[in-house]
Amino acid sequence: AQRVTQPEKLLSVFKGAPVELKCNYSYSGSPELFWYVQYSRQRLQLLLRHISRESIKGFTADLNKGETSFHLKKPFAQEEDSAMYYCALNSGSARQLTFGSGTQLTVLP
Amino acid sequence: GAGVSQTPSNKVTEKGKYVELRCDPISGHTALYWYRQSLGQGPEFLIYFQGTGAADDSGLPNDRFFAVRPEGSVSTLKIQRTERGDSAVYLCASSLTVNTEAFFGQGTRLTVV
Repeated sequence: AQRVTQPEKLLSVFKGAPVELKCNYSYSGSPELFWYVQYSRQRLQLLLRHISRESIKGFTADLNKGETSFHLKKPFAQEEDSAMYYCALNSGSARQLTFGSGTQLTVLP
Repeated sequence: GAGVSQTPSNKVTEKGKYVELRCDPISGHTALYWYRQSLGQGPEFLIYFQGTGAADDSGLPNDRFFAVRPEGSVSTLKIQRTERGDSAVYLCASSLTVNTEAFFGQGTRLTVV
């Protein structure tokens, strides 16, 4: 069965510091991975997906099939990046997503 | 335009009661998803509709849970004989087609007392 693991429940960094949110997955097929973000009092929204290989709000994530990882990175964190981040794996033909338990990122001034 | 709308935003019910949670997807979106998010966890997939039919209901935990989408738009998640363990935030999402971005609603917080 598919599984997504986010080992850090809480992560704090200072503004301007690099940040990396870890995500590991287990899946027998060809994975499609996403990062979702939930800002305070807002709904869950897509941040980026691995197949588009784009940078959104300065964030990037590279799929490493050898290490079964999809870590989210940003070289210089901003206070507005403070939010809950979820890594998700698409395990079906549509958007039947398996989510990790999330990492609460706090960027300190 | 309006996003995915879920009503009510909060629902408190007594153990054993029946509840209905409503989801209004973005207009024109053919795919609709229900997820459940327990405290401290990520969302958990329940069921997915393509049009009016349930294309995948593999995430429904047991037969107390049922969902419908009779006209291919609004969906209702129905929970019979609620239990305290059903307390969670129930999220709805919709997407234009099956392989496009899913947009989430704000969720319904269900508390079973």
